[in-house]
Parts: sequence; structure tokens; C-alpha cells
Amino acid sequence: QVQLMQSGAEVKKPGASVKVSCEASGYTFTTYYLYWVRQAPGQGLEWMGIINPSRGSTSYAQKFQGRITMTRDTSTSTVYMELSSLRSEDTAMYYCARVAVAGSALSQSDHWGQGTLVTVSS
Amino acid sequence: DIVMTQSPATLSVSPGESATLSCRASQSISDKLAWYQQKPGQAPRLLIYGASIRATGIPARFSGSGSGTQFTLTIGSLQSEDFAVYSCQQYDDWPTFGGGTKVEIK
Repeated sequence: QVQLMQSGAEVKKPGASVKVSCEASGYTFTTYYLYWVRQAPGQGLEWMGIINPSRGSTSYAQKFQGRITMTRDTSTSTVYMELSSLRSEDTAMYYCARVAVAGSALSQSDHWGQGTLVTVSS
Repeated sequence: DIVMTQSPATLSVSPGESATLSCRASQSISDKLAWYQQKPGQAPRLLIYGASIRATGIPARFSGSGSGTQFTLTIGSLQSEDFAVYSCQQYDDWPTFGGGTKVEIK
């Protein structure tokens, strides 16, 4: 069955960087794009960007341009999301989510990781 | 960005009653709309896509409708496990989500 397994919770100081991983299993890794979505405490969901695991190409939400990097390792079926220059407002649960339609960048998400809590605090 | 607006923010419903949730897009998105259910401490779960297509394993009491800018999620005869937060998402452009509607027990 499809699974997205994320790395564990992180606590970071303001100005630091965090790198969250998402290991995919149960399907052909390179066939489906992956989104990263975050959710601040008590808030709604916020799309951060997308990665094509086949080519490694990415597109980021304007809000995060310049401080977000998404990468992938096809040998381990893992995607990574690194966010730099962290501030308290980046405290949130971070999710990876599979784009449901193979080869499509715009679609619903049918499988989600369990989430990784990133806390930014001095 | 396409702005998604959900209403109401909170809906108080008695078990067995039905619930109607609304989602409005700031511009036409055709039928490129999904609904998700989220319970505390859990990741979102896909309920509806293409505005009206139930995802795999979703009970028939969940139904979606609408196109263009106005969409509705209807939950018929609410069960205890249906009390949760529901979010809409458009994917006509890079995804954006509504702020969510919390369905709580009345």
C-alpha cells in the first residue's frame, strides 16, 4: 500500500535551517509528483511547493521563494524539503502529499505523510 | 493566487442530522476542487475530488457539488466519526486551501 513516511519532529532556533524527509513506498516513486504543505497551529493548510521526483524539477510558492529547497533521492525514494532562515512563524506541522494523478502537477492529494512538527523557538 | 473562502467557520450539528458546508473560489476553477477531512493529530484525508467524485472508501453520506466558484460538501446523517475539520482545495492553479470548517457536536 502507498505510504509516505516522514522524519521526526525538529526544534530549531530562529535563523537556522531545517530539512524534512519523506520516504515513499508502495508505488513507483518517479511516476507521481509530491507536494509539501504546512499547517501552523490552529490554522489552515498552506501549499509550499511541488517536486517532480523523476526530473527533480520544482516549483515553489512565492511566499517561500529564496528560502525553500526541495530535492529528491531516487535511490531511496525520498524527497526532502529544506527551509532556511527560520522564524517563529514557521512553527508548523509539515506534510508531504502525493499528487493523485500520475504525471500531473495539478490534482488532489490522495496520500499524505504523517506530518513533521517543526518548532522554531529561541 | 486563487483565494478559497469557506463558511461557516464552525458548524454545530447533532448526530444523525445533515451538514452543509460551503466553499467559494475567488475566480472560476471549473470542477478542480477537492474536499479533505482532518481530525486532531492526523493528516488530511481526501474525501471528494473533481468537485463531486468520492475518493476510494468514502461513505455515500458524503457528497460534493458545484462548479465555477461555488461548491458545497454535504454530509448526510452525521456519525460520531464525522466530527472534524473540513477543508476545500482548488487545483486549477497551484493549490490553495480554504480556512476550514469545524463540524462540532451540538
